[in-house]
Amino acid sequence: GIQVEQSPPDLILQEGANSTLRCNFSDSVNNLQWFHQNPWGQLINLFYIPSGTKQNGRLSATTVATERYSLLYISSSQTTDSGVYFCAVASSNDYKLSFGAGTTVTVRA
Amino acid sequence: SAVISQKPSRDICQRGTSLTIQCQVDSQVTMMFWYRQQPGQSLTLIATANQGSEATYESGFVIDKFPISRPNLTFSTLTVSNMSPEDSSIYLCSVELGDSVYNEQFFGPGTRLTVL
Repeated sequence: GIQVEQSPPDLILQEGANSTLRCNFSDSVNNLQWFHQNPWGQLINLFYIPSGTKQNGRLSATTVATERYSLLYISSSQTTDSGVYFCAVASSNDYKLSFGAGTTVTVRA
Repeated sequence: SAVISQKPSRDICQRGTSLTIQCQVDSQVTMMFWYRQQPGQSLTLIATANQGSEATYESGFVIDKFPISRPNLTFSTLTVSNMSPEDSSIYLCSVELGDSVYNEQFFGPGTRLTVL
C-alpha cells in the first residue's frame, strides 16, 4: 500500500512562531487530507488538498502531487494549535485513507 | 460536511466481554469506515462498511473479532468481541462525501475504550 511519512515527529513552538509540517507519500493520490486531533481525540478536518494551495485563516497548505509531498503551514501559532497533526492519503486506484504517524505540536505561552 | 455522532463516547469494560459502538450520520452516505487508534499511535483502518453488502476487512482484522452492521445509509455499528486489554483504543467511524472527483472523509468524535 501507499506509504506516508510525516516530519518532524515533534515540534515545540513559542506562541507567535511560524512552522511548517511536511508529508511525503509514495504514490500518486486522489485524496490528501490534513487533520488536527485535539486533546479529546476529535479529528478536525483542516484541508482537503490532493493538489494545489489553500488557505484558511492562519493555516495554509500546499500539495505538489508530481513530487509527492504536501506542506502544512501554521503562522502566528497559538496555544490552541497544540495537538497532533495527521496527513492522510488515498492512492489514485483506491478510496481508503492511509495515515501518517503524525506530528505532535506543542505551543508554549 | 457531515454531522457524525458515536455512542458511547467512552467505556470501561472487563476482559472477555463485548461492546457495540454506534455511528450515526445526518445524511445518507454510501461509504462508511471504522478505524482504530491505539494509545500514542496513528489511525488504522479496520473495515469498510457499505449498505447492503458484507463489510470489507483490512489485513489483521477479522469479522469474528470486529463484526460490523450497516442496516441503512445513515447508521453502522462495530462490535469489539471477547475484549482483552490490547483492545484498549479509540474507535472512530468516518464517512466519505463527494463523487468520483471530490471525496473527503469526515470523522465522528470517537469512542474511547478501556479494557481491564
